[in-house]
Amino acid sequence: GAGVSQSPSNKVTEKGKDVELRCDPISGHTALYWYRQSLGQGLEFLIYFQGNSAPDKSGLPSDRFSAERTGGSVSTLTIQRTQQEDSAVYLCASSLDLRGPTQYFGPGTRLTVL
Amino acid sequence: AQRVTQPEKLLSVFKGAPVELKCNYSYSGSPELFWYVQYSRQRLQLLLRHISRESIKGFTADLNKGETSFHLKKPFAQEEDSAMYYCALNRGGYNKLIFGAGTRLAVHP
Repeated sequence: GAGVSQSPSNKVTEKGKDVELRCDPISGHTALYWYRQSLGQGLEFLIYFQGNSAPDKSGLPSDRFSAERTGGSVSTLTIQRTQQEDSAVYLCASSLDLRGPTQYFGPGTRLTVL
Repeated sequence: AQRVTQPEKLLSVFKGAPVELKCNYSYSGSPELFWYVQYSRQRLQLLLRHISRESIKGFTADLNKGETSFHLKKPFAQEEDSAMYYCALNRGGYNKLIFGAGTRLAVHP
């Protein structure tokens, strides 16, 4: 079946603008994760969703970052008033549930803030 | 603080040579460790987990709690092993992974 998909694949925006990044997890996966990969850095956990439970937002770097997951499926990561340091690859992953051993990653969205 | 350290940004070897990609972690609890791999123009994917104690594509990794290490090894590297390798730590069993910065493995003919 289809894997995790993300859109857009690339996004170039101007400093101060808002952006929305989308993630479609694998059908049936109840857990969804967002990570950020800055140049030369490892992946940084941002947020996860599990079913209808309150999301774990402990990794969000500032209140400019928010995410939602509608209907337990598609998720949107929103960055308001983007800054140049927000430039990174944003990866989404899903797993069967929070204890599922394998996270399946999407192709990522490369965000460039000018 | 929980942390995963991969000290080498780049590891360059010749085909047929042994490979060891280093990973050290700091975590006070009982860790669950993974190796993820990203081949050129492909997605990040799971390579192996320490719990499974398996060998995937000839790679193995042993958790050494005394040395807090989870090094990835392969006795004879192949060109197709060239990729970016990430070590990851799962805290508290909820798959909130902490990744290392990654090591790029380049296997030359």
